[in-house]
Amino acid sequence: NAGVTQTPKFQVLKTGQSMTLQCAQDMNHEYMSWYRQDPGMGLRLIHYSVGAGITDQGEVPNGYNVSRSTTEDFPLRLLSAAPSQTSVYFCASNSGGEQFFGPGTRLTVL
Amino acid sequence: AQSVTQPDIHITVSEGASLELRCNYSYGATPYLFWYVQSPGQGLQLLLKYFSGDTLVQGIKGFEAEFKRSQSSFNLRKPSVHWSDAAEYFCAVGLYNFNKFYFGSGTKLNVKP
Repeated sequence: NAGVTQTPKFQVLKTGQSMTLQCAQDMNHEYMSWYRQDPGMGLRLIHYSVGAGITDQGEVPNGYNVSRSTTEDFPLRLLSAAPSQTSVYFCASNSGGEQFFGPGTRLTVL
Repeated sequence: AQSVTQPDIHITVSEGASLELRCNYSYGATPYLFWYVQSPGQGLQLLLKYFSGDTLVQGIKGFEAEFKRSQSSFNLRKPSVHWSDAAEYFCAVGLYNFNKFYFGSGTKLNVKP
């Protein structure tokens, strides 16, 4: 099992560019989430999904879109990147309350 | 408003000394409680979790945590810290059948030789 995988590991964008952060899990978990981690602020929930076709907003959803067409994949889209979106992004899936985290994507928006 | 508070941003302890990291939460009902550890440049690893029952829970790497309902606290402890414990520690709560998790801002632990 690969667990939770994220691509890319690093990304630099210019303001206004769009991109998709990929997340996949092979544990057949229904629940998946996206977080951003900023210094001194812990992890903040962006969006989450309770199953294919079902997503909802977390604490900081503005500027981000998600979709969940399959159980395995949960991509996060930045439609028009802003410097405030410079952060480390973590995807997680969970089963029975235990979250499994991906290795993260470090995104810099110039 | 819902919140998870870790009042200590940085803590330094000597190797072999005991450790206690504080966590307080503010929610209407008893949430599910977690502690995670993050080594530099790494993802998060679950140390332990509390759902119900015995209020003292044991985790990996010799860590334990105690849930105190009256204080809305879930403090993490370790009797004897090792240099490899230097990392950042996050307290988290889970709500709504694990659909949502909220994290504290983290405590960075330094271990002196």
